[in-house]
Amino acid sequence: DVKVTQSSRYLVKRTGEKVFLECVQDMDHENMFWYRQDPGLGLRLIYFSYDVKMKEKGDIPEGYSVSREKKERFSLILESASTNQTSMYLCASSSSGEAFFGQGTRLTVV
Amino acid sequence: AQSVTQPDIHITVSEGASLELRCNYSYGATPYLFWYVQSPGQGLQLLLKYFSGDTLVQGIKGFEAEFKRSQSSFNLRKPSVHWSDAAEYFCAVEEYGNKLVFGAGTILRVKS
Repeated sequence: DVKVTQSSRYLVKRTGEKVFLECVQDMDHENMFWYRQDPGLGLRLIYFSYDVKMKEKGDIPEGYSVSREKKERFSLILESASTNQTSMYLCASSSSGEAFFGQGTRLTVV
Repeated sequence: AQSVTQPDIHITVSEGASLELRCNYSYGATPYLFWYVQSPGQGLQLLLKYFSGDTLVQGIKGFEAEFKRSQSSFNLRKPSVHWSDAAEYFCAVEEYGNKLVFGAGTILRVKS
């Protein structure tokens, strides 16, 4: 069974904290993505990566950064968490036109 | 930039009734189109995809979708809805590099 695993299902962080969201895939996919999901807005792309150490901005990169040191792992970093970053975060990996998603991390910033 | 419109935010159908969820896209070339389903508290699961060929695509769980280029639509259908189909459904179009552009989603409620 193919798997995309996000390290946390739920996180509560304080404003100003540095937050790390981790994602690991076991399918040897080159493409990995971080999306943010908000009610009524669907999924919006934050960052994506085509290969190790490569990253590109998506539609809403402000306030976020990413790291991809190994092919299977793609981390999303909130440099200084703010309340407007409270959301559901979904990681995905893809190959040959099909994306596989993790179960999501619901982040609350207080 | 590509975009996807799902005109219905919520839809309620009776169990056993037929279902159609609407999706319109904007894309210059032949699109790669997808429907995903998200059950509460879960990630997204692929229902079906269209790349080329037959415009009627069959998916999992008894779903199908029809690609209509003239209408820029890719509507999802199911002949008889089950209570377990209650979920949120997302239509998506693929941009270069396997990036997906999603619609806002349609929440399906099933009443018994």
